[in-house]
Amino acid sequence: AQSVTQPDIHITVSEGASLELRCNYSYGATPYLFWYVQSPGQGLQLLLKYFSGDTLVQGIKGFEAEFKRSQSSFNLRKPSVHWSDAAEYFCAVSYGGSQGNLIFGKGTKLSVKP
Amino acid sequence: KAGVTQTPRYLIKTRGQQVTLSCSPISGHRSVSWYQQTPGQGLQFLFEYFSETQRNKGNFPGRFSGRQFSNSRSEMNVSTLELGDSALYLCASSLEFKGYSGNTIYFGEGSWLTVV
Repeated sequence: AQSVTQPDIHITVSEGASLELRCNYSYGATPYLFWYVQSPGQGLQLLLKYFSGDTLVQGIKGFEAEFKRSQSSFNLRKPSVHWSDAAEYFCAVSYGGSQGNLIFGKGTKLSVKP
Repeated sequence: KAGVTQTPRYLIKTRGQQVTLSCSPISGHRSVSWYQQTPGQGLQFLFEYFSETQRNKGNFPGRFSGRQFSNSRSEMNVSTLELGDSALYLCASSLEFKGYSGNTIYFGEGSWLTVV
C-alpha cells in the first residue's frame, strides 16, 4: 500500500538554526510530492511541490525540498528558522489521475526555541 | 483571489444527529475533495468530486457522504454521528486540466466538528 513516513514526530530547533524535516514515501512510481504547513487551528498551507524536472524545489517562506528518487525521499529544509515557523508540517504524495487524492504523513511538529 | 471557503467553522452536535458541511472552492476549480483530520489517525482522504461526480472515495463508512453542485460547491454529510467523528474536516480544491493530473491541491481552514 502507498504510504508516507515522517519519522520525526516532534523537533525542537533554536531560532536561527538550520532545519531538515524528513519524508519518505513507498511506491514504485514517482509521485507528485508536496509539503504543507499547519498552524494551530488552521487549515493547510502549501509550502512547495514537486511534479518533475529539477529535483531541488523552492517554496514560500524560505523553504526548499530535494527529491531523491534513489532514497524515495523528499526532505524539507530551511537554512535559518524563525520563531514564526513553529507549526506542524505535513509531507504528502499524490499519484495523479484517478488517484489524485493526497496521502499524508503523520506530520512533524516543529518547536522553535528563542 | 478568494481561497477555499468552508462553513461553518465550528459546530457541536450530539451523538445520533447528522451534520452537513459546506465548501466553496477557489473560483475556476472543478475538483473538490474532503479530508478528515484527527489526532489519532491524522489526515485521511474522504472523497473527491469532479463535475458533480464522485471520482474517488476513501475508506470511510457509508454514513459519510457528499455531493457537488453545478457551480462546483460541495457539501459533505455525516449521519448518525458518533463520538469518533469529532474532527477537523478539511475541504480542498484543485484546477483540473484534461490530460494533466499533477494538480496542486489548495485547502480551506476547515470545519471543527465536536460530537458530544
